Amino acid sequence: DAKTTQPPSMDCAEGRAANLPCNHSTISGNEYVYWYRQIHSQGPQYIIHGLKNNETNEMASLIITEDRKSSTLILPHATLRDTAVYYCIVRNTGTASKLTFGTGTRLQVTL
Amino acid sequence: NAGVTQTPKFQVLKTGQSMTLQCAQDMNHEYMSWYRQDPGMGLRLIHYSVGAGITDQGEVPNGYNVSRSTTEDFPLRLLSAAPSQTSVYFCASSYSGLPGTGELFFGEGSRLTVL
Repeated sequence: DAKTTQPPSMDCAEGRAANLPCNHSTISGNEYVYWYRQIHSQGPQYIIHGLKNNETNEMASLIITEDRKSSTLILPHATLRDTAVYYCIVRNTGTASKLTFGTGTRLQVTL
Repeated sequence: NAGVTQTPKFQVLKTGQSMTLQCAQDMNHEYMSWYRQDPGMGLRLIHYSVGAGITDQGEVPNGYNVSRSTTEDFPLRLLSAAPSQTSVYFCASSYSGLPGTGELFFGEGSRLTVL
């Protein structure tokens, strides 16, 4: 599985868009990009995933660059409840999933 | 709709004791896995299973055993607890281990302290 690189921490003002970057320069063609978040010490929560195209759901948008070497998770209107650690993960389709989490980005949403 | 249920939520053990962390899911998921989370380390995969009767090792399997006799249950056994196993343990499941077919659902965690 490709490794990912994320900034350790970011701040965002409430109501503004939070843009969380992820670098996955060694990604291969059959690998998906997944995003999860962990609020305080709860179990991680799935946010969104994509392969090549940009994706949007009720929680967030995922923008994947054309060369697929990086992606950005966008929370369009961040709230205090979005304060969490966000994990960017690349998964290999060839194996029955050995999902590996890095240390993620700690997003702090402030008033 | 319970999802993924872990028990116990908290446990204190003495070094050398054994115990089992229970994990059950009611979503008929084929794939189940166990992670541990230590401060500043993210989540590390211990063991996983792609279906009843099939298990495999993750990144940090030493000191832990698993079995998968039913689709619903995936217990994690600590044979002889050590202080290094003090951690928060998360169980997760998904419809299939193949990406693109569904996300992982996590339990609320089991906090284990080994004295």
